[in-house]
Order: sequence, then C-alpha cells, then structure tokens
Amino acid sequence: QVQLQESGPGLVKPSGTLSLTCAVSGGSISSNYWWSWVRQSPEKGLEWIGEIFHSGGTNTNPSLKSRVTMSVDKSKNQFSLNLSSVTAADTAVYYCARNSFYSQEYWGQGTLVTVSS
Amino acid sequence: EIVLTQSPGTLSLSPGERATLSCRASQSVGIYSAWYQQKPGQAPRLLIYATSSRATGIPDRFSGSGSGTNFTLAITRLEPEDFAVYFCQQSGGSPPHHTFGQGTKLEI
Repeated sequence: QVQLQESGPGLVKPSGTLSLTCAVSGGSISSNYWWSWVRQSPEKGLEWIGEIFHSGGTNTNPSLKSRVTMSVDKSKNQFSLNLSSVTAADTAVYYCARNSFYSQEYWGQGTLVTVSS
Repeated sequence: EIVLTQSPGTLSLSPGERATLSCRASQSVGIYSAWYQQKPGQAPRLLIYATSSRATGIPDRFSGSGSGTNFTLAITRLEPEDFAVYFCQQSGGSPPHHTFGQGTKLEI
C-alpha cells in the first residue's frame, strides 16, 4: 500500500516561500502516476495546487501558477512544492497525493502551514 | 474555469436511510468526476472515480452516476460511519485541471 508523508515548516513569514516535501513509501515515484499537491482552508475549501510526473512534467492551477514550483527527487523517492510570495491567504492544511484516473487515490495525512510574522 | 456547486449544503438523515448528493458543473467535463469522503482531522478519502467506479475497498452501498454537468453520489442504507463531509471533483481541460466542490455535510 502506497503511503505519503508531508514534511516542512509549519510557520512561514509573509512574502516568504513555503517549501514542503512528500516522502513516498510502498511504491516508486517513477511509476506511471502523477503526484499532486492539494490544500484545504476554511475560506477556500479544497484547492488543487498542481501535479508532477516523474519525468518532471507539471500541471498547475492557473490561479497559483506564477508562484508554484514543483520537483521530483527520484533518489529519495519524494517530490516537493515551493510556493513563493505567501500571504495569510495561503494558510492551510497542505496534502500530497498520488493520482489515479484523474483523481487523488492515496493521500498523506496533511500538514498545517501558517503564514504569519 | 469550472465551478462546481454541491447541494444540499447539509443533509440530515438517519442510519438505514438513503442519501443522494448532487454536484453541478458550470460546464461539461466528460467522465472525469470523482467523489471523496472526509471526516474531521482526516485527509479526504476517494470513494468514486470516473463518475461511477468505486475505489478500492469502498462498499457497494456507494454509487456514482451522471454525465455532462450533473453528477450524483448515492449512499444506500446509511451506516453510522458514513456521516461525514462529501466533496465532488471534476477534472479535465487543457492543460489538465482539477476542481473541487464546496462540500455537503451528511449529518445524523
């Protein structure tokens, strides 16, 4: 069974960069799946951020595209998210997930990131 | 941008009853619709993908249907563990994009 675990700072200063990593176990990040980032806040609900393939190909939510960078580290079997120029509106629980059939089949437990000075 | 509207916002039912949850899209999205269940403090759990296919381990009392802009999740014979928040999702477009609805709370 695939398992995913998010990690990263729980507090980021306004205008800074939010950086998260998702460690994958029980499966290879080089398998034929896309890997997603999704966030959830009371204000915006569930919001898809973007997805990445092991080749490095990405798709990103147009509303966040200018601030999002994603990458894959095959040697560590993990993928990462960078979200720049954060504001309080980026405060949310961030999830990583493995896609299947245009949906998110396996999810991490989520990590709360707060943007505050 | 696709906008998804779920209804009702809250659905109050009793165990053993049938639940019908709706999701309307602002434009047609083909067959790439999905449904998720979320309980407090947990990540969403995939129930239905590709409109009507049950995810691994999902009991057959959960079923999905629909096409075009209208999709439905039905839960027959509600069990106590089914009371949660349910989200619909549509995927598609070029480049690919995933959109979630605002959720329906199913309460006892």
